[in-house]
Amino acid sequence: DAKTTQPPSMDCAEGRAANLPCNHSTISGNEYVYWYRQIHSQGPQYIIHGLKNNETNEMASLIITEDRKSSTLILPHATLRDTAVYYCIVRVDPDSSYKLIFGSGTRLLVRP
Amino acid sequence: DVKVTQSSRYLVKRTGEKVFLECVQDMDHENMFWYRQDPGLGLRLIYFSYDVKMKEKGDIPEGYSVSREKKERFSLILESASTNQTSMYLCASSPRTSRFSYEQYFGPGTRLTVT
Repeated sequence: DAKTTQPPSMDCAEGRAANLPCNHSTISGNEYVYWYRQIHSQGPQYIIHGLKNNETNEMASLIITEDRKSSTLILPHATLRDTAVYYCIVRVDPDSSYKLIFGSGTRLLVRP
Repeated sequence: DVKVTQSSRYLVKRTGEKVFLECVQDMDHENMFWYRQDPGLGLRLIYFSYDVKMKEKGDIPEGYSVSREKKERFSLILESASTNQTSMYLCASSPRTSRFSYEQYFGPGTRLTVT
């Protein structure tokens, strides 16, 4: 599986866009990019995933560069409830194990 | 909305007790998972199940067993609880029919303390 690199922490002001980067320079052609987050003392929450096209859902947008070596998760209007650790994961899909492995992630602090 | 519920948010048990953790999902998902999460060790898969009565070991199955008698329910059993099983236990489910198998939905977690 491709490894991912994320900044350990970021902050943004409430109401502004939060842009969380992820580097996955060794990604292979059949690997998807997934994003999860974990709010303190809660279970992880699936956010979004993509292969090569940009994706958007009610929670966020995912921008994947053309060479697929990096991606950015965008929370368009961050709220205090978006304070969490955000994990970028790259996995082949489908995969026989289904096992999620989180790296260290980015701790996002949304400031009032 | 997918909903995964776990029987308890907090649980305190004594060493040697048999412990049952229950997980229920309401989205007719085929796959269900039990993880534990510990500081510095991340998320570790204990067992998963891809169908009723089917189970497969994850990375750390020792000291645990599971039961899946109904599609919506996946139970984790600690046969004889030990202090090193003090942890946050997370249940998740995902639809096998979906191509996107890493789209897993988690419950709120059970923080188990074994004294």
